[in-house]
Amino acid sequence: AAGVIQSPRHLIKEKRETATLKCYPIPRHDTVYWYQQGPGQDPQFLISFYEKMQSDKGSIPDRFSAQQFSDYHSELNMSSLELGDSALYFCASRYGNQETQYFGPGTRLLVL
Amino acid sequence: GESVGLHLPTLSVQEGDNSIINCAYSNSASDYFIWYKQESGKGPQFIIDIRSNMDKRQGQRVTVLLNKTVKHLSLQIAATQPGDSAVYFCAETSNNNDMRFGAGTRLTVKP
Repeated sequence: AAGVIQSPRHLIKEKRETATLKCYPIPRHDTVYWYQQGPGQDPQFLISFYEKMQSDKGSIPDRFSAQQFSDYHSELNMSSLELGDSALYFCASRYGNQETQYFGPGTRLLVL
Repeated sequence: GESVGLHLPTLSVQEGDNSIINCAYSNSASDYFIWYKQESGKGPQFIIDIRSNMDKRQGQRVTVLLNKTVKHLSLQIAATQPGDSAVYFCAETSNNNDMRFGAGTRLTVKP
């Protein structure tokens, strides 16, 4: 079965640079979530989208923005990167009223 | 604020034994709970879920128990295998809002 796809899988950036992470949800899933997971931490909710509209907002820094496109894929844009942004970034998707979120493999971001 | 958390950060069991991983939550409005398994370098993988109108749900080798009175959730893994070694997270949501994770428990299975 198709799963959530994230790209790139690994990304190395320097401080103050920008990064764009992409997420392709499971086909027919209309809701996308972004999470940040620091080393040894649990995933922290950043932001979510339903039918291309922002549906909920968590602990996403103002330096980050995200959107969901007409094909339901989503992009997380990160600017003025800081060392503390180094983390695993997960995307999860969900279909309709089903509550279960299915996670992608994550993007490992390293900011030097 | 309300939170979801786990009692123990690590758990070590012998292969073949049963494992029990615990989780406490404080949001009495939570109506849906999920256990995820996360292996190193991978995304959380759905294991089993339970709704607040149930107190027990069984899957293949796994059972989730929900005690709403004391706001406690547990994951039982029968006949634990080396492949079960991972970090396990409980997560909860209310009214289909964003999901909140508890701190994970690292399960290590000794051969």
